[in-house]
Amino acid sequence: KAGVTQTPRYLIKTRGQQVTLSCSPISGHRSVSWYQQTPGQGLQFLFEYFSETQRNKGNFPGRFSGRQFSNSRSEMNVSTLELGDSALYLCASSLYRVGGETQYFGPGTRLLVL
Amino acid sequence: GESVGLHLPTLSVQEGDNSIINCAYSNSASDYFIWYKQESGKGPQFIIDIRSNMDKRQGQRVTVLLNKTVKHLSLQIAATQPGDSAVYFCAENTGTASKLTFGTGTRLQVTL
Repeated sequence: KAGVTQTPRYLIKTRGQQVTLSCSPISGHRSVSWYQQTPGQGLQFLFEYFSETQRNKGNFPGRFSGRQFSNSRSEMNVSTLELGDSALYLCASSLYRVGGETQYFGPGTRLLVL
Repeated sequence: GESVGLHLPTLSVQEGDNSIINCAYSNSASDYFIWYKQESGKGPQFIIDIRSNMDKRQGQRVTVLLNKTVKHLSLQIAATQPGDSAVYFCAENTGTASKLTFGTGTRLQVTL
């Protein structure tokens, strides 16, 4: 079974621009979560989508948004980019089960904001 | 996919020795725990998980121990190999939310 895929793998943007990242979950997985990884803050939860609805949200500003499509693929968008948004953005997918479920990660999209 | 933190604790072990990586988790209500391994340029890779109704779980060459009294998790790797060199994260999940909270990570270096 193919793993989680993310595109693009690398991205360079300038401050003030916006960016859209894409994630395709493992086939059959209906939950998609997004995380930001930086050297200073480590891995932090952004949001989680299930059945095209955002179920959980982390403590990030409204510039960070996402959506999920009917085929479970997900996108996240960051508007008005800031230097501090430079990070590795990771997508993880899981089967839906209330109460904790193994999340499988993709390789990430490395975003550099100049 | 590097999680290179400026102050990541590092554990250095010799090939063939056993490794023990420790993690203190934050929420006493957490009921599901996962260990991930992250190699350079890659996303976190699932190693093993454990639910709060257990205190030990074994996999292939790995064992996870959970001590809920002191909110402590450990990962034991038997006969550590060079391919085990990576950063290891523990993660906790609380209640019904699919939202993992990660520890800061430990870098494991395997020397020959």
